[in-house]
Amino acid sequence: AQSVTQPDIHITVSEGASLELRCNYSYGATPYLFWYVQSPGQGLQLLLKYFSGDTLVQGIKGFEAEFKRSQSSFNLRKPSVHWSDAAEYFCAVGATDDKIIFGKGTRLHILP
Amino acid sequence: DADVTQTPRNRITKTGKRIMLECSQTKGHDRMYWYRQDPGLGLRLIYYSFDVKDINKGEISDGYSVSRQAQAKFSLSLESAIPNQTALYFCATQGASYNEQFFGPGTRLTVL
Repeated sequence: AQSVTQPDIHITVSEGASLELRCNYSYGATPYLFWYVQSPGQGLQLLLKYFSGDTLVQGIKGFEAEFKRSQSSFNLRKPSVHWSDAAEYFCAVGATDDKIIFGKGTRLHILP
Repeated sequence: DADVTQTPRNRITKTGKRIMLECSQTKGHDRMYWYRQDPGLGLRLIYYSFDVKDINKGEISDGYSVSRQAQAKFSLSLESAIPNQTALYFCATQGASYNEQFFGPGTRLTVL
């Protein structure tokens, strides 16, 4: 069965520092992968997606993610975080029957 | 105007009451979904619909029902609300197979 694991429930980084959020997936075929962000009091917004092709994908707000098939990973990165990046981040995999399986989320805290 | 809207945005009700949450979309998508979000559990799928005549149960459908009144409208009902249905509820749409989903702003439901 398809699944997504986000090993870190909370992550705290200083403003201006680099960021990497981890995501591992389980899926038998070529996965369709997503990262969403949820700001406080808001719905989920798509940051980026991977369907095929270049394994390094660029998204909005300066985020990127790299698909590594050998590690079943799709980690999200940003070279320099801003206070406005404080939010909850969800990794997701497109599953069969047009469903999307979400990870449990990683809450990002930013230190001034 | 937002592409996916949910009403109400907040609702407080009492145990045993019937509640309806409504979702409307202007994206022209056939696929619509209802999720609930609980802290630490991520998003869990309640029901989904691929067109007006198609309704499918998700992983946590017990205690909930849905109605797809039109392509643009998908309602979630709690026939007899109970306190453990207190959560944040999201509606989402999807345009085609394996594409990303677009989320509404959410409805915060509290059952006393």
